Amino acid sequence: DTGVSQDPRHKITKRGQNVTFRCDPISEHNRLYWYRQTLGQGPEFLTYFQNEAQLEKSRLLSDRFSAERPKGSFSTLEIQRTEQGDSAMYLCASSLIASTRFYNEQFFGPGTRLTVL
Amino acid sequence: GENVEQHPSTLSVQEGDSAVIKCTYSDSASNYFPWYKQELGKGPQLIIDIRSNVGEKKDQRIAVTLNKTAKHFSLHITETQPEDSAVYFCAAPITDSWGKLQFGAGTQVVVTP
Repeated sequence: DTGVSQDPRHKITKRGQNVTFRCDPISEHNRLYWYRQTLGQGPEFLTYFQNEAQLEKSRLLSDRFSAERPKGSFSTLEIQRTEQGDSAMYLCASSLIASTRFYNEQFFGPGTRLTVL
Repeated sequence: GENVEQHPSTLSVQEGDSAVIKCTYSDSASNYFPWYKQELGKGPQLIIDIRSNVGEKKDQRIAVTLNKTAKHFSLHITETQPEDSAVYFCAAPITDSWGKLQFGAGTQVVVTP
């Protein structure tokens, strides 16, 4: 399978604990996005990377959230001191940005569903 | 920034009938409009997209139309089948930050046999 993969698929944690999610993008894709999706809503942008550089962070991304893409391949999203309001589906997407490609097709992974008790 | 509105929020159709979902966007500079299908417990799947330089695109039973003047685009599914039941999202790029997508709230499509 050469699509975007995410791990774990489900995570249940207690309020105050730290959690970390991993995303493996499509291998040649240089851009990686994190989105958050709550029940009944569309995905909301959190942050994105161009190779290893984090280029933008949403206001949704509080100080408790941090994301990395150390080698320009896989990415991790960490949430510290989780709160019940963090419960959501966390989606990763990747795309290939090149001078010859003006349009940005994003391909999503299956998501990590986080439940904070 | 971009604002994307999607209607209806739910759509129930008989198998074999057509389904139409409409979206409007606010940023006239937007140039790319993807549609995603999301099944329960899965991530969104890109099913079709349209660039701003064309007015219509078809792929088997699905088609997308774009009206740049009115700033709206629509997804058309013909000859619906039970496996078309899912949540469908439209999206448009946030042009002041190239690459981010602003999604609509989604349409729950239920195809009844």
